[in-house]
Amino acid sequence: DVKVTQSSRYLVKRTGEKVFLECVQDMDHENMFWYRQDPGLGLRLIYFSYDVKMKEKGDIPEGYSVSREKKERFSLILESASTNQTSMYLCASRVQGRLNTEAFFGQGTRLTVV
Amino acid sequence: GNSVTQMEGPVTLSEEAFLTINCTYTATGYPSLFWYVQYPGEGLQLLLKATKADDKGSNKGFEATYRKETTSFHLEKGSVQVSDSAVYFCALRANAGGTSYGKLTFGQGTILTVHP
Repeated sequence: DVKVTQSSRYLVKRTGEKVFLECVQDMDHENMFWYRQDPGLGLRLIYFSYDVKMKEKGDIPEGYSVSREKKERFSLILESASTNQTSMYLCASRVQGRLNTEAFFGQGTRLTVV
Repeated sequence: GNSVTQMEGPVTLSEEAFLTINCTYTATGYPSLFWYVQYPGEGLQLLLKATKADDKGSNKGFEATYRKETTSFHLEKGSVQVSDSAVYFCALRANAGGTSYGKLTFGQGTILTVHP
């Protein structure tokens, strides 16, 4: 069965902390994505990766970075957490090269920055 | 750029009522269109998709038809159940030539609550 696993369901961090959100997929997918979900705004793309060590900025990359050292793992890093980064974060993965295949999502990490 | 607009929610219905959630899009070329559903406490799941004009996607009693002339992909269900209560997201994937990285552009989401 297809699986995208995010390491934490809920996180509470302090302002200024460095925060790591981890995502692992077991489907050997090339493409991985990080979105944040906010009420009334839907999902917005933060970063994506199309292969190991490859990354590209999405629509709202400011204040975030990512790491993809292994194919199965895609990490989102908040360099210095701020309260406006309180949100639900969703990771997704997808096989590359086929236009119409679906993206599979993890269960989400609800991050609160205090 | 690409964008997706969904009807504003929340939508509250009684069981067995008819559901429509409107979705319109702006995109260059010929995007693929999707509806995702998010049940309480869970991530997103693909509900249905359509990849070209006039295609109809369907699943679990839900349907949506890709209308290029009106740039729309409205979600419908003839008789909703309490278990359909969730957040519904319309999304598009712009299909550029060659390899697609599969970036999705989402609408803002519509909360559906179905009462017994």
